[in-house]
Amino acid sequence: DVKVTQSSRYLVKRTGEKVFLECVQDMDHENMFWYRQDPGLGLRLIYFSYDVKMKEKGDIPEGYSVSREKKERFSLILESASTNQTSMYLCASSPGTSGYRDTQYFGPGTRLTVL
Amino acid sequence: AQSVTQLGSHVSVSEGALVLLRCNYSSSVPPYLFWYVQYPNQGLQLLLKYTSAATLVKGINGFEAEFKKSETSFHLTKPSAHMSDAAEYFCAVSDKGGATNKLIFGTGTLLAVQP
Repeated sequence: DVKVTQSSRYLVKRTGEKVFLECVQDMDHENMFWYRQDPGLGLRLIYFSYDVKMKEKGDIPEGYSVSREKKERFSLILESASTNQTSMYLCASSPGTSGYRDTQYFGPGTRLTVL
Repeated sequence: AQSVTQLGSHVSVSEGALVLLRCNYSSSVPPYLFWYVQYPNQGLQLLLKYTSAATLVKGINGFEAEFKKSETSFHLTKPSAHMSDAAEYFCAVSDKGGATNKLIFGTGTLLAVQP
């Protein structure tokens, strides 16, 4: 079974802090994704990566950056956390072998609260 | 550009009743469509996907969906609801505009099952 793990289930940070959210997948997947989930808005793509050290902006990249130094690990960074970044953050990975038919596999999510 | 619309942010059914969750898509190219389920405090799990083979797609837990091009729909059904089906359901379409399988999600439908 594919396993996608996220470093924390719940996180509380203060405004202005630098925040790191970590995601690890154990299936040698090429692609990794970060989404945020907000009530009534569904999932919105923040950033994705299709290879080590490669990244592309999603629909809402402002205020975020990412890092992928190793294939299995994809980090989301909030450079200076703000209250409007309070949300559920979901990481996903996909094999990269079936193009647009690829299934994305999700981690359990990190619920981040910024005070 | 591709998009999906889920009609009804909340649906309530009685245990044993038919479940029908609606999803309409907009796409200028033949779409690849997905249904995901999110149980409370968990990540998303794939229920089923349509990738242009059979128009009736069977998924896990007794769910199925039918792709209807003439109606641009991909509604999710289950003949008999179970209490364990209570969850949030997301329809998604694969964004064929890029090289990687970015998914565009609907806003979700929260399914409640009454005893």
